[in-house]
Amino acid sequence: KQEVTQIPAALSVPEGENLVLNCSFTDSAIYNLQWFRQDPGKGLTSLLLIQSSQREQTSGRLNASLDKSSGRSTLYIAASQPGDSATYLCAVRDGQNFVFGPGTRLSVLP
Amino acid sequence: EAGVVQSPRYKIIEKKQPVAFWCNPISGHNTLYWYLQNLGQGPELLIRYENEEAVDDSQLPKDRFSAERLKGVDSTLKIQPAELGDSAVYLCASSPHPGVTGELFFGEGSRLTVL
Repeated sequence: KQEVTQIPAALSVPEGENLVLNCSFTDSAIYNLQWFRQDPGKGLTSLLLIQSSQREQTSGRLNASLDKSSGRSTLYIAASQPGDSATYLCAVRDGQNFVFGPGTRLSVLP
Repeated sequence: EAGVVQSPRYKIIEKKQPVAFWCNPISGHNTLYWYLQNLGQGPELLIRYENEEAVDDSQLPKDRFSAERLKGVDSTLKIQPAELGDSAVYLCASSPHPGVTGELFFGEGSRLTVL
């Protein structure tokens, strides 16, 4: 059974820092991995989707990498801003369904 | 393009009462998911539809939960009777492809409080 973990559970950084969020999964036979952002009381907003054949994806200040063999993905946020404060979740697709991690709660302090 | 639409956004009911949530996926998306999200946790799958067929309902507590997706477009999730432990956020999501490469899009969720 696929299990997804995210470290750290919470992170607080000053504005302007570059930061890395981690996502680990136990079964490397995945089709893709997706990073989401969730603001309090809201649904999940898709940030980046990495197919299993890809190594990374970039969108603006966000860069996500995927290492299937080691069961890891990282989300890199450059020059963090207070508006980046949210919970970041990763999800792996290992069939027709997605398995989610518990998320990393990020606070960017002005 | 409209996103995934859910209603109601919030619902407060007494235990043992029924409740229903509605979801309209992104136009053209064949796959529809209902997820349950408890505080501080990631979403957990309740049921997945491909068009009007429920292809994975193994995690749906069928003694009190039911779902339907008539005509393969919008969907309704029902709980009857609700219990205190059902308090959570119910999320609907859709994906454009029946295969395994499609991106997942979520609605804003329906927050249920059972008193």
